[in-house]
Amino acid sequence: EVQLVESGGGLVQPGGSLRLSCAASGFTVSSNYMSWVRQAPGKGLEWVSVIYSGGSTYYADSVKGRFTISRDNSKNTLYLQMNSLRAEDTAVYYCARDYGYKYDYWGQGTLVTVSS
Amino acid sequence: QSALTQPASVSGSPGQSITISCTGTSSDVGSYNLVSWYQQHPGKAPKLMIYEGSKRPSGVSNRFSGSKSGNTASLTISGLQAEDEADYYCCSYAGSSVFGGGTKLTVL
Repeated sequence: EVQLVESGGGLVQPGGSLRLSCAASGFTVSSNYMSWVRQAPGKGLEWVSVIYSGGSTYYADSVKGRFTISRDNSKNTLYLQMNSLRAEDTAVYYCARDYGYKYDYWGQGTLVTVSS
Repeated sequence: QSALTQPASVSGSPGQSITISCTGTSSDVGSYNLVSWYQQHPGKAPKLMIYEGSKRPSGVSNRFSGSKSGNTASLTISGLQAEDEADYYCCSYAGSSVFGGGTKLTVL
């Protein structure tokens, strides 16, 4: 059974950092495209970042230069390192498998709140 | 990239059919047959309902169907049921993914 479990969310001050994790089971993270998608409170979905199976990474303009997506193949885990956090980064962050231009499996999400 | 345009809300009675539109541009929806649709119940993760414009994943009811005309994709739900009440999001590939703003479906 495929499962994605995010962790690492919480309350952080503006300018601070946080690292999100997404532990996968039932498939191999390194063999797939994996994305982070976020949802601000009461708002819609926003694509954040993707890492390809070959290791290439891409980011939304809103997070470019501040966020870094990575993976640990030995732990079958995806990460999102978030630096220089802003109030507008407050959202539930989902990891999702990006399989042929569709997000077929999603985690339950982890809430990041940026506030002083 | 700008978000795709969806109506904020739609409603229908049980048993009826509704259609949710998703309007993009010739650079996203119009260029690729790669629109997907997601259902999201409150407090839950999104669920894939339609991919590549009109294909249904295994386990998704055939009451859900997708289509595209020009720069606009559509999701149709027939035989509305109470459990269909949720938010629905379209998504298109355009170099990267772009989502619609979401549509709240109310089953009256």
